[in-house]
Amino acid sequence: GAGVSQSPSNKVTEKGKDVELRCDPISGHTALYWYRQSLGQGLEFLIYFQGNSAPDKSGLPSDRFSAERTGGSVSTLTIQRTQQEDSAVYLCASSLTGGVTGGYTFGSGTRLTVV
Amino acid sequence: QKEVEQDPGPLSVPEGAIVSLNCTYSNSAFQYFMWYRQYSRKGPELLMYTYSSGNKEDGRFTAQVDKSSKYISLFIRDSQPSDSATYLCAMSDGGGSNYKLTFGKGTLLTVNP
Repeated sequence: GAGVSQSPSNKVTEKGKDVELRCDPISGHTALYWYRQSLGQGLEFLIYFQGNSAPDKSGLPSDRFSAERTGGSVSTLTIQRTQQEDSAVYLCASSLTGGVTGGYTFGSGTRLTVV
Repeated sequence: QKEVEQDPGPLSVPEGAIVSLNCTYSNSAFQYFMWYRQYSRKGPELLMYTYSSGNKEDGRFTAQVDKSSKYISLFIRDSQPSDSATYLCAMSDGGGSNYKLTFGKGTLLTVNP
């Protein structure tokens, strides 16, 4: 597709349930990023994938969060046993190569609400 | 103290005004400075990118970086209602993790016709 696609666009879940968020990056982009945007907060880095290298998971807030990227393309962010503080917009971005100089292309995000 | 500070606003200006948006930062290792624009319910889009200190101009937009003061600015001339959005500053240290951006909280701008 022409841009980064994220699904679902909105997700309401009950506390304690698991959720999966999906990201389809721009075709040919080797780098993929997940960020979280909470109300009143800036974007927080979660995880970075680059080609076949080991991902940088340093931003994941707890072991309830995990992510994978299959075949160097689609990525899934999984949150287990969701808590109310997980409510946020989860943004995925991709870039042609790793590094910020070319800028990321962000998707529109998944708005997660934990009730 | 957060690494990047940005006044959240909101900022409301009349059409045609000059807008000044600013961020300060504490990490002297930051070398790459960006401004992203985010419309409601959309992802951020890259507006301006500057490396190290100096000015960069693109149409109605000018980005300035003063590394000695750890201060960056974005100026919008002849502001238009279509400029109404949240503006996010973002920075990277350009080192081994130069793929990682540190963002400000964003400033909500409204340009009134």
